[in-house]
Amino acid sequence: EVQLVESGGGLVQPGGSLRLSCAASRFTFSSFWMHWVRQAPGQGLVWVSRINSDGSNTYYADSVKGRFTISRDNAKNTLYLQMNSLRVEDTAMYYCARAGRGDGSLSTAFGMWGQGTMVTVSS
Amino acid sequence: EIVLTQSPGTLSLSPGERAILSCRASQSVSSNFLAWYQQKPGQAPRLLIDGASSRATGIPDRFSGSGSGTDFTLTISRLEPEDFAVYYCQQYGSAPRTFGQGTKVEIK
Repeated sequence: EVQLVESGGGLVQPGGSLRLSCAASRFTFSSFWMHWVRQAPGQGLVWVSRINSDGSNTYYADSVKGRFTISRDNAKNTLYLQMNSLRVEDTAMYYCARAGRGDGSLSTAFGMWGQGTMVTVSS
Repeated sequence: EIVLTQSPGTLSLSPGERAILSCRASQSVSSNFLAWYQQKPGQAPRLLIDGASSRATGIPDRFSGSGSGTDFTLTISRLEPEDFAVYYCQQYGSAPRTFGQGTKVEIK
């Protein structure tokens, strides 16, 4: 099955660190830009970061710039989000998403999403 | 940054009725790179529409998107029970990608 599976979430104290992973299967991971999107409990979707297909270019939301680092290992078909200096307001479900439908169209909308991994920042 | 404002916040309708959801951008969306997603409780979002009006694979034709520039609309022609959910618009034409705050379509 074509899918994305996130892992690495959990409970962490303010100021702590976590690394999220997103494992891709059954599609050519190295061909797609990838994104992280988060959703605080009961709230809407917020874009966090993106990385281009070979990992050479990244972009961050202002709210996480300097604290989060997106990366990928195309040999392992895996996307990462290193989160440092975590704050209470970073508490959210974190989704990885693929830019592109994967059906041959040129669209870069988020055509595939993982099921999410929950990050809770609390003392 | 492009700010997307969705209206209404909540839409209370009955199965079989038509739903019209609006998404207004603070500036023109590049190349009409505007998408709509559906999210049900406890699930990840699902792509419905991209390019403002193109249905994603497997999306029923009761879902349609329209609009250009700064004003976009998602229409659900006849609501089915499985359509009651939260809908988000997103622009993916410029960085940072941004989402609207969502419209909840609930059963009246």
